Amino acid sequence: GDSVTQMEGPVTLSEEAFLTINCTYTATGYPSLFWYVQYPGEGLQLLLKATKADDKGSNKGFEATYRKETTSFHLEKGSVQVSDSAVYFCALSEGSSASKIIFGSGTRLSIRP
Amino acid sequence: DAGVIQSPRHEVTEMGQEVTLRCKPISGHDYLFWYRQTMMRGLELLIYFNNNVPIDDSGMPEDRFSAKMPNASFSTLKIQPSEPRDSAVYFCASSPYWDRGRNEQYFGPGTRLTVT
Repeated sequence: GDSVTQMEGPVTLSEEAFLTINCTYTATGYPSLFWYVQYPGEGLQLLLKATKADDKGSNKGFEATYRKETTSFHLEKGSVQVSDSAVYFCALSEGSSASKIIFGSGTRLSIRP
Repeated sequence: DAGVIQSPRHEVTEMGQEVTLRCKPISGHDYLFWYRQTMMRGLELLIYFNNNVPIDDSGMPEDRFSAKMPNASFSTLKIQPSEPRDSAVYFCASSPYWDRGRNEQYFGPGTRLTVT
């Protein structure tokens, strides 16, 4: 079945460092891909999305490019801030159950001042 | 616009008691989802509805769990009887109609359930 694999955390970086969180997926068709973020004590929020190959999603300085050839959707940010500390989830939806989203296990990110 | 509303935000109960969690989805959304989040198992989809009809309940862990959606603006998740292993954060999410690229889900703040 469809699945999402993302790098395990926790990831700890200093403020202004470059961030990459790896995500790869397995799907039988052409999924839409998402990154969600969960701040402490809150629900998940959509951070960015891409719906077809080579699309780039971006928001709040974060970017991710839909790479069909490598089945990847890595999250990047050039300069992280303390306020970016959160758990990040890679996710996909595809096919006849496109209303249903499959989430990765989440990567906890901590940024040191 | 109000987002997804869940109540209560925190619930502490004793083993064996009935627990009812409530959710009000975003107005106009056709889909409603119930998730459970724990450190050990991560985020699990329990059940989801389309236009108030349950579509997939394969994630409901046991018969002790039940969910209803009597109308488009209200859903409940009930656990009877509750057990300590049910302790988790339960999220409700809603989504507009299914269309490629439009099916992002909007999450509520969650209900933190503790069963002692």
